[in-house]
Amino acid sequence: EDKVVQSPLSLVVHEGDTVTLNCSYEVTNFRSLLWYKQEKKAPTFLFMLTSSGIEKKSGRLSSILDKKELFSILNITATQTGDSAVYLCAVEVGFGNEKLTFGTGTRLTIIP
Amino acid sequence: DSGVTQTPKHLITATGQRVTLRCSPRSGDLSVYWYQQSLDQGLQFLIHYYNGEERAKGNILERFSAQQFPDLHSELNLSSLELGDSALYFCASSVAAGVGEQFFGPGTRLTVL
Repeated sequence: EDKVVQSPLSLVVHEGDTVTLNCSYEVTNFRSLLWYKQEKKAPTFLFMLTSSGIEKKSGRLSSILDKKELFSILNITATQTGDSAVYLCAVEVGFGNEKLTFGTGTRLTIIP
Repeated sequence: DSGVTQTPKHLITATGQRVTLRCSPRSGDLSVYWYQQSLDQGLQFLIHYYNGEERAKGNILERFSAQQFPDLHSELNLSSLELGDSALYFCASSVAAGVGEQFFGPGTRLTVL
């Protein structure tokens, strides 16, 4: 059975801190790994990673994938209160029968 | 706004009843995915349709069924509802199958009393 595990489950930091969120996976037929941010409602897309060692960056957020060790990290620097959310890691699997398997998420709380 | 619409936003019903949730994907997207999100389970993949055909199934109960119509909108039917079916149901769409990024609708919150 495909498995995606995120850690920590929750994290509370002060504004301005840097955080690292972890995602490890055990799946068959790996296609890509995705990060989503979920605030009040629907998840919104952050990054898609398919190749090892290539950092994806968007402003203060960055992410990298290690396909040998089967994990990814999401870094957020100079955190702001607007970064408070649940961060979801998902792995897309399957060829001809594609689906996303999600981790349970990391709840990040930024204290002003 | 992702461009994916879901109706209704909220649904309150009783055990044993049947409901239909509707999803319209983004214009041009051929793939539609359904997910269930409950407090203790996280986001669970239910089913994936691509251009009208079922593509993949997750842990979808036999009481649940879905279809995608020729205009590409999709419906998720939930029958013989139980208290444990109370959850947020999301629909997501992508331009094709296996392209990774999916765009999520706002969800339908189902409460079974």
